[in-house]
Amino acid sequence: SQTIHQWPATLVQPVGSPLSLECTVEGTSNPNLYWYRQAAGRGLQLLFYSVGIGQISSEVPQNLSASRPQDRQFILSSKKLLLSDSGFYLCAWSPFMNTEAFFGQGTRLTVV
Amino acid sequence: DAKTTQPTSMDCAEGRAANLPCNHSTISGNEYVYWYRQIHSQGPQYIIHGLKNNETNEMASLIITEDRKSSTLILPHATLRDTAVYYCIVRVGQAGTALIFGKGTTLSVSS
Repeated sequence: SQTIHQWPATLVQPVGSPLSLECTVEGTSNPNLYWYRQAAGRGLQLLFYSVGIGQISSEVPQNLSASRPQDRQFILSSKKLLLSDSGFYLCAWSPFMNTEAFFGQGTRLTVV
Repeated sequence: DAKTTQPTSMDCAEGRAANLPCNHSTISGNEYVYWYRQIHSQGPQYIIHGLKNNETNEMASLIITEDRKSSTLILPHATLRDTAVYYCIVRVGQAGTALIFGKGTTLSVSS
C-alpha cells in the first residue's frame, strides 16, 4: 500500500533562517505531488505541484521554492523565513491520472 | 476548475444523517465532484468522488443531480468524530491539474 511521510511534525524557526521540509511517498511510481499551506484560521492554499522529476508549477509568488530531485521526493525550501511563512504545511500525492489525493500529517511551522 | 458554493456551517445530532450540499452550477462535462474533510489539526482526508452517477463507499454516499449542477454528501449515521470541515471540489480528472480547496462547510456533530 502507498504511504506518505512528512517531517518534522513541528518546527520553530527564527526570522531570516532557512527552511527545508521533506516529503516522500512509498508504494507508487510517478505520483503527482503537492505542497499546501494553511495559515491559522484560514483555508488550504496550494503552493506548488509537480507531475514529474524536476517539473514544478508554482501557484502563488512567495518566499518559498520547491524541488523534486527524485520521483517520490518533494522538498519545500526557503532561504530566509518571514513571520508570514508561519502555518501548517501539508504534502499530498495523487496517482498520475489525478484521481483522489492523499495527504501527509503536516508540519506546523512557527517563525519567531 | 468550476467554482463551488457550500454553506459555511451546519449542525447535526449524533446518530442522525448529515446531508452536506454543494452547488457547482458551472461544472463542465469532464469535471468530477470530489469531497474531502479536514479534522482539526490534521491533513485533509479523501471521502468520495463521482462524475454522473451516485456513489457510495464505507464512509459516505454522494448524490449528484441529473443536471450535475449540485450534489449532496451524506454521512448516514454521524458521530462526534465526523466533526470537521468538509470540502466540495470540482476538477478535471487528468494529469497535471491541481486540487484547489475552497472554504468548505464546518460540520458540528453533537450528542
